[in-house]
Amino acid sequence: GENVEQHPSTLSVQEGDSAVIKCTYSDSASNYFPWYKQELGKGPQLIIDIRSNVGEKKDQRIAVTLNKTAKHFSLHITETQPEDSAVYFCAARRGGAAGNKLTFGGGTRVLVKP
Amino acid sequence: GAVVSQHPSWVICKSGTSVKIECRSLDFQATTMFWYRQFPKQSLMLMATSNEGSKATYEQGVEKDKFLINHASLTLSTLTVTSAHPEDSSFYICSARSGRIRNEQFFGPGTRLTVL
Repeated sequence: GENVEQHPSTLSVQEGDSAVIKCTYSDSASNYFPWYKQELGKGPQLIIDIRSNVGEKKDQRIAVTLNKTAKHFSLHITETQPEDSAVYFCAARRGGAAGNKLTFGGGTRVLVKP
Repeated sequence: GAVVSQHPSWVICKSGTSVKIECRSLDFQATTMFWYRQFPKQSLMLMATSNEGSKATYEQGVEKDKFLINHASLTLSTLTVTSAHPEDSSFYICSARSGRIRNEQFFGPGTRLTVL
């Protein structure tokens, strides 16, 4: 099955700096890669996703890049703010009816220091 | 946007009792619903996948007789933890997926279960 590795497990950045989280996946058939933000005591919230036919996607201060050949994808947060502090999870999923399960990375705890 | 609700948000129960958690997709029809368990400072662990009107598919190691899942309609799924024990204390999160919304998966706010 799919295996998703996520690094780093914790990340502390100064407000205004950039944060980068990296994930690798093992299943070359995976074609959907979402990123979730989870605040304490809450469920994960989808913040951005990318599909395998695209190499990069941006939404304001958040961007995701995908390298299918190397099987890794990354989340980039620019101009970090204290409210960006949370746990971030990457995930991967195959397409089609048979592959409808997300496999999650281990999570990255991001702390943005004011 | 797509909203998934869970009820209750937290529950405390005595060991040996059963607890039911409801998951609803409020503004879309969920063809598939998922139940996850999350222990402190850990990632989400998929427990089971259910399609409306069908039996749930459980992940390896998850006891189907202990974690009863019912997906009675396209907007409602329930998870019943039967004969709960302290080791079942966890954060339970449901998720719903609609084939109409780019196959995105939306998560509920979670239910904190504490078994005394």
